[in-house]
Amino acid sequence: SQTIHQWPATLVQPVGSPLSLECTVEGTSNPNLYWYRQAAGRGLQLLFYSVGIGQISSEVPQNLSASRPQDRQFILSSKKLLLSDSGFYLCAWSLVGNQPQHFGDGTRLSIL
Amino acid sequence: SQQGEEDPQALSIQEGENATMNCSYKTSINNLQWYRQNSGRGLVHLILIRSNEREKHSGRLRVTLDTSKKSSSLLITASRAADTASYFCATAKNTDKLIFGTGTRLQVFP
Repeated sequence: SQTIHQWPATLVQPVGSPLSLECTVEGTSNPNLYWYRQAAGRGLQLLFYSVGIGQISSEVPQNLSASRPQDRQFILSSKKLLLSDSGFYLCAWSLVGNQPQHFGDGTRLSIL
Repeated sequence: SQQGEEDPQALSIQEGENATMNCSYKTSINNLQWYRQNSGRGLVHLILIRSNEREKHSGRLRVTLDTSKKSSSLLITASRAADTASYFCATAKNTDKLIFGTGTRLQVFP
């Protein structure tokens, strides 16, 4: 069966520090991969998605970036975090873009 | 911009009652999906309804889709305290992504 791992679960970082969040998927090949951000009590904002290794689509201009170095690995990064980067970050995968997505348990990022 | 808007934003009911949530969207879709999110957790897919379907059931869940009105509803029958969560609709076109709505927070009191 397929599983998705996302870590860390919580992260507290100072403003201006770098960021690296990792997401890996097991049990499937060539999945579509997604990074979302969710503000408290709000809906999901799609940040990046990838349909294959090295293929990244950016949805929102920001100081974040994403990379897909391996088929089942998706990384969200920043060189310098802003206060506005605080939020709940979710990784998800699907077999096809318009089919059900499967989510990790998220990373709660607090910027101080 | 977000495709789906859920209504109401929050809903409180007693155990045993039915809960109905609505979702409206703006453009044509391939399918519409409903997800559940427990506090502090990731989303879990509940049900998918295709654009050529009008109604779908899964256990205590009933989803309807009206493409002429660009709207969908999720009915949870005989609700339980464990149904307390946020519920999101998501719309899919023939693209590589879903567009999620703003969600309905459901509170079921025992």
